[in-house]
This record gives sequence, structure tokens and C-alpha cells, in this order.
Amino acid sequence: GAVVSQHPSRVICKSGTSVKIECRSLDFQATTMFWYRQFPKKSLMLMATSNEGSKATYEQGVEKDKFLINHASLTLSTLTVTSAHPEDSSFYICSARVWTTDTQYFGPGTRLTVL
Amino acid sequence: GQQLNQNPQSMFIQEGEDVSMNCTSSSIFNTWLWYKQDPGEGPVLLIALYKAGELTSNGRLTAQFGITRKDSFLNISASIPSDVGIYFCAGQGRKLGSQGNLIFGKGTKLSVKP
Repeated sequence: GAVVSQHPSRVICKSGTSVKIECRSLDFQATTMFWYRQFPKKSLMLMATSNEGSKATYEQGVEKDKFLINHASLTLSTLTVTSAHPEDSSFYICSARVWTTDTQYFGPGTRLTVL
Repeated sequence: GQQLNQNPQSMFIQEGEDVSMNCTSSSIFNTWLWYKQDPGEGPVLLIALYKAGELTSNGRLTAQFGITRKDSFLNISASIPSDVGIYFCAGQGRKLGSQGNLIFGKGTKLSVKP
């Protein structure tokens, strides 16, 4: 149990375009999901907390207009990187929280490359 | 942002040896979690600890939640090549029902020589 999927696993896009990444909890409902960014050989950096039915909470320094988050259902959160630039290239990972144990389970990540 | 002190940063050991790594913090946590991350993959939960003093095993892995609630260790016994990866500790300071933000250690990179 507690499986989280992400789609796509890899995406390459041109500078200036927008990219949407999906995060799904496959066998449980998640009122709260999290989006992280990870640079090579570094730890995970929390970008934002996604709450079902309400606005996301962004960490300091993360531009909410650039990284749009939508948590429209109890099993799906999306992260849209708008007007992507090469510096947005990174590994983006989502997690979903199991309500009963407060434990986060992570998706497999999405490698974004902006040319 | 705030991070835990995780040690060692890297380990290079022989297959069959035992491994020990730890995390310490100046803050108290209600939950300690240990994850393993393979290259190009998301972290996979290994062990979750919910009570101070708790000692939990998962196969060859054993982890403990420190009595002071400011530290945790992870032991791997009889290491095998597939144990290779980066191990992260994470502390969760909020109570059940809150946003449950995790604070991560910087990771311990484990290499196992056959």
C-alpha cells in the first residue's frame, strides 16, 4: 500500500513553454501532498504544500506564479512550471501524506530539462 | 532551510559489513523517518519511528528514535551490493493532523564493495 505515482518521469521542453507534472496517490486518499525539488547530490528542498480544495502554501523564495499547484481531488495534485527556463531544470519529486500515520510516501520523481 | 546533521556523509564498505549512520538535531521531533534513494528515483520509506525510545526493525535494517527526541540512528547488518544508495533521515516536528512538513538530513551515500 501507499503507492505514489508521477507523470511524466522525464520531460524535455523548450525555454518559454509550460510543463505540467502530475502526482497521484494510487491506493489511498491524500488531503495533503508536497512538492520538492532536488539538485544533483543534494537533499530534497520543499517547494510547497498542496492542500485538497484550497490554495497551496509555498516555501519562502518559491515563486507561486511560476510554480502553479492544483490539488483538485484527494488523489491528484499537479505542478505546472510556467514559462520554463534552463535554470528550472531539476528533479521534481512529490509526496503524499497518509492521514492516519502522518507519514509521507514519495513518487518516483520527474526529471525536467529545459533547453 | 533548516536541516538535520546526518553522519557520515559517505561510507565505502565491504560486502557483509554492518553499517551505522545517525542524525542529530537541536530541535525535538515527534516522528523520525528513514528513506533510501536510488539514482534517478524518489525516496523510498524504510522505517518510520513514532515514539521516543522506539526501536524498529525492517529485515536487516534497525532504527531507533532517541530518548531525547533529538536524534535517531539507522543500522544495516550484513550489507549486500543492493544496499548501495543514499540514505536520508527526516524529522517531523508537527503533531498528527497538521501539515506534517519534513526536515531532511543531507544524506549518507553508501557504497558497497563486493
